[in-house]
Amino acid sequence: DTAVSQTPKYLVTQMGNDKSIKCEQNLGHDTMYWYKQDSKKFLKIMFSYNNKELIINETVPNRFSPKSPDKAHLNLHINSLELGDSAVYFCASSQLDGDYGYTFGSGTRLTVV
Amino acid sequence: DAKTTQPNSMESNEEEPVHLPCNHSTISGTDYIHWYRQLPSQGPEYVIHGLTSNVNNRMASLAIAEDRKSSTLILHRATLRDAAVYYCILLPIKAAGNKLTFGGGTRVLVKP
Repeated sequence: DTAVSQTPKYLVTQMGNDKSIKCEQNLGHDTMYWYKQDSKKFLKIMFSYNNKELIINETVPNRFSPKSPDKAHLNLHINSLELGDSAVYFCASSQLDGDYGYTFGSGTRLTVV
Repeated sequence: DAKTTQPNSMESNEEEPVHLPCNHSTISGTDYIHWYRQLPSQGPEYVIHGLTSNVNNRMASLAIAEDRKSSTLILHRATLRDAAVYYCILLPIKAAGNKLTFGGGTRVLVKP
């Protein structure tokens, strides 16, 4: 059983399109995250939801909108895709407690052409 | 956020131990020390974490200095599969804005 699963694994799309990435965790964690890893390999947090409530919203363009229908799911919708959005996006989950490790998904490689 | 400092890279021979240092001189008393690694083309993977005492698990050991201002991740017998970027990150015990903040990490190269 995959603990944190993301779909799709690869996404190639044209500039200006709208796309969504889905994430699901079956670990019973109360907090989920979206991270972005750019071509220079830096991992940056974008959003975090705790029990469906947005608790972290880093400086991310408004074109990015997370949605958490329940605490096991956190989706990422991106409007009007730009070339600079090309990156690998990782979903993660944890308990909101430093005494717990984070579990990451395998990533979604987004390529905007 | 309290910061950590790690060497950019380290090399090791296969089946030898690897000691990865991490300095965190501004650590607070409520910060856990977490280690993650990222293998090529994969997502980050939890390795180990601790607060004050040394910790062991099936993947590695974590040695924490008495003053907690530094720690060392120990891979007892490096394999080729251990070649990855290793991240040392501080995480508060509990805070609404808890998040793993990744730095540059240490790139570990394992030579056969």
